[in-house]
Amino acid sequence: GNSVTQMEGPVTLSEEAFLTINCTYTATGYPSLFWYVQYPGEGLQLLLKATKADDKGSNKGFEATYRKETTSFHLEKGSVQVSDSAVYFCAQKTSYDKVIFGPGTSLSVIP
Amino acid sequence: DVKVTQSSRYLVKRTGEKVFLECVQDMDHENMFWYRQDPGLGLRLIYFSYDVKMKEKGDIPEGYSVSREKKERFSLILESASTNQTSMYLCASSSDRDYADTQYFGPGTRLTVL
Repeated sequence: GNSVTQMEGPVTLSEEAFLTINCTYTATGYPSLFWYVQYPGEGLQLLLKATKADDKGSNKGFEATYRKETTSFHLEKGSVQVSDSAVYFCAQKTSYDKVIFGPGTSLSVIP
Repeated sequence: DVKVTQSSRYLVKRTGEKVFLECVQDMDHENMFWYRQDPGLGLRLIYFSYDVKMKEKGDIPEGYSVSREKKERFSLILESASTNQTSMYLCASSSDRDYADTQYFGPGTRLTVL
């Protein structure tokens, strides 16, 4: 069945470090892919998305490229800030299926 | 901006009580969802609804029911609360007009069942 796998956390980085959070998926069709972010004490909010192969989603300095050949959608940011501390969820949706979320990766950025 | 609101941020109930969690969205979205979020398990879908008075079971519907009498409101009901239903509950909505089906989430209700 369809699923989403992402790297286990927690991830701890120093401010201005480079961030990568890996995400891979299995799907029977061609899903839309998402990264959602959950800041402490809040609900999830959409960070970025890509709807077809080779699309790059970007927002707030974060980027992710839809790689069909490796079934991946890795999240990257060149220079993280303390305010980026949150839980990040990778997710997919195919045409006839509900949204499937990964387990989440907790990120802590220390000054 | 889409706004999804949930009736309570924190709730404490006793075992056996009937619990109602309310969710309201203001963007005329057709689809609404209830998830529970637990450490190490991520989000798990309890129920969803794609139209008024319609409901579909998600991955973990046991012990829950839902009600959608109006398009903007989706209620989650715990008929007889149990301690294993202590969790964070998240409501979300989405539009059929959005091909990618982006979901918009409320702030969550942290339910503790004693």
